[in-house]
Amino acid sequence: KAGVTQTPRYLIKTRGQQVTLSCSPISGHRSVSWYQQTPGQGLQFLFEYFSETQRNKGNFPGRFSGRQFSNSRSEMNVSTLELGDSALYLCASSLGQTTGELFFGEGSRLTVL
Amino acid sequence: TQLLEQSPQFLSIQEGENLTVYCNSSSVFSSLQWYRQEPGEGPVLLVTVVTGGEVKKLKRLTFQFGDARKDSSLHITAAQPGDTGLYLCAGGEGTYKYIFGTGTRLKVLA
Repeated sequence: KAGVTQTPRYLIKTRGQQVTLSCSPISGHRSVSWYQQTPGQGLQFLFEYFSETQRNKGNFPGRFSGRQFSNSRSEMNVSTLELGDSALYLCASSLGQTTGELFFGEGSRLTVL
Repeated sequence: TQLLEQSPQFLSIQEGENLTVYCNSSSVFSSLQWYRQEPGEGPVLLVTVVTGGEVKKLKRLTFQFGDARKDSSLHITAAQPGDTGLYLCAGGEGTYKYIFGTGTRLKVLA
């Protein structure tokens, strides 16, 4: 069974640019969550999608957005990048229950210069 | 905003020693999970506890959920170098959102 696939694995952007990250969940999983991981703040919840609907959202500015497609694949977008957006962005898929296991991808490491 | 504080933040021990990691919050969670993350990888689930006072054992790892469902602990017996990693607790709010703890970075020396 293939795991969660995130692309790209690494990317470098400059301030003011935008970036789109992609996540393909495990087959059969309809829930995709996104987390930002930094050394100072740890893992912080961005948003969760289930069957193309956003069910919950974290405390991030509107520059952070996401969507989910009918095949459960998800993308997140960050516009007008800031230096502080440098982080590891992790995607997790699950069956969608409230106590379900999260299966994480290896992450997309974003560096903003 | 719910917060999960983990202690200690860093831990370096010799192979064969025992250790306990704590995860504390002032808020009640519907469930509590523990994950381990190794460099270059995403976190991997170790256990889920949902009942206050629940104790689960996974080989040399023992997990406990506090009676009030506000805290949890992870105890490792006879640590091995393969236990090295970042340990994260995660509280479930029951709203498809998990609050992750600040993390405990464990290094087990051979």
